[in-house]
Amino acid sequence: NAGVTQTPKFQVLKTGQSMTLQCAQDMNHNSMYWYRQDPGMGLRLIYYSASEGTTDKGEVPNGYNVSRLNKREFSLRLESAAPSQTSVYFCASSERQGYSPLHFGNGTRLTVT
Amino acid sequence: SQQGEEDPQALSIQEGENATMNCSYKTSINNLQWYRQNSGRGLVHLILIRSNEREKHSGRLRVTLDTSKKSSSLLITASRAADTASYFCATDAETSGSRLTFGEGTQLTVNP
Repeated sequence: NAGVTQTPKFQVLKTGQSMTLQCAQDMNHNSMYWYRQDPGMGLRLIYYSASEGTTDKGEVPNGYNVSRLNKREFSLRLESAAPSQTSVYFCASSERQGYSPLHFGNGTRLTVT
Repeated sequence: SQQGEEDPQALSIQEGENATMNCSYKTSINNLQWYRQNSGRGLVHLILIRSNEREKHSGRLRVTLDTSKKSSSLLITASRAADTASYFCATDAETSGSRLTFGEGTQLTVNP
């Protein structure tokens, strides 16, 4: 029973490089989310997918794109990484959007130099 | 923008003592949730309390909600060293489209 699995766990990029963060959940949840966590800022929502086939911007979407590949998988892409995107990225899922607890992965620690 | 703000930012207590953390928010909510985060790990859901509820319990955890004061508190009774973690409140504001907004968290240290 893996829950929410994120890959990779660590990544170092140079400015301008691109990469995709992968997330998969095995709980048959409808909704999935990408957050970033920075010191002193709490968690901020980047993008979310309320259900398969839909995606919407969160609080800090600039510089990111997402793909809800199927009900299980939700990927986050950085097209041209910037030092300001150095952060810990968390994927989460919930049974539905609203009145439903979030289940988090263990995060991807990204450093952009 | 941060909807929920936790207080205190850091709390250090001895094993066996009770720990109380507070969360204040700005706008009307549908529900409020508390999460725990151990160092280097993802967040784990603790309790969800709806706007029409005033108190909920789960094991050694007690959560209260006062919508008139726009505040919530999390009480951990008889704390243990394993309770050492960061604790976050998250609000589902009525105007947020059911998207959760997290506060900055309270770092709790329980000394053995």
